[in-house]
Amino acid sequence: GAGVSQSPSNKVTEKGKDVELRCDPISGHTALYWYRQSLGQGLEFLIYFQGNSAPDKSGLPSDRFSAERTGGSVSTLTIQRTQQEDSAVYLCASSLVDRAHFGSGTRLTVV
Amino acid sequence: GQQVMQIPQYQHVQEGEDFTTYCNSSTTLSNIQWYKQRPGGHPVFLIQLVKSGEVKKQKRLTFQFGEAKKNSSLHITATQTTDVGTYFCAGQGGGSQGNLIFGKGTKLSVKP
Repeated sequence: GAGVSQSPSNKVTEKGKDVELRCDPISGHTALYWYRQSLGQGLEFLIYFQGNSAPDKSGLPSDRFSAERTGGSVSTLTIQRTQQEDSAVYLCASSLVDRAHFGSGTRLTVV
Repeated sequence: GQQVMQIPQYQHVQEGEDFTTYCNSSTTLSNIQWYKQRPGGHPVFLIQLVKSGEVKKQKRLTFQFGEAKKNSSLHITATQTTDVGTYFCAGQGGGSQGNLIFGKGTKLSVKP
């Protein structure tokens, strides 16, 4: 595709429910990153996929968070039993060699 | 793990004044990248620095990479209202295949 696509763009969920966020990276990009950005804050690293290597999960804040990348392309970030503090914009980025291309993010609101 | 610190957190300038943001890594970096995020938008890549002591310019923006490849700076000369946004540095530790860790960003506001 022309760019990194994320869906949904907005998600409102009730506390305790599970959510799935999707990222379609640029075709051919081997690296894929997930970040979380709370209002007015910086980019908090969550997880990094690179080719067929084991993902770097060191940024996941709790075991309620998990992510998969199928076939080296699409990635899904799953948050189980959502909490209000999970409310944020979740950004996905992909890259081939250097620069990271970001999607427009999913704004998650937990009520 | 790798940490990237960035200061200041906020900077308010009068249009025409200069602006600088500084970035420091806890570990030696393979490269450092700079991104700009406009209000309501997502981060957009500005530049990558790879070599020790490298200096690159983009119009009024000057980017530097320290000799030890652990620190970097972005300097904007004669700011304009279009420069408004948050500037992030991002350090990559493991070569072009490494993870990308972002600083917390510097939010720049420009008063006309």
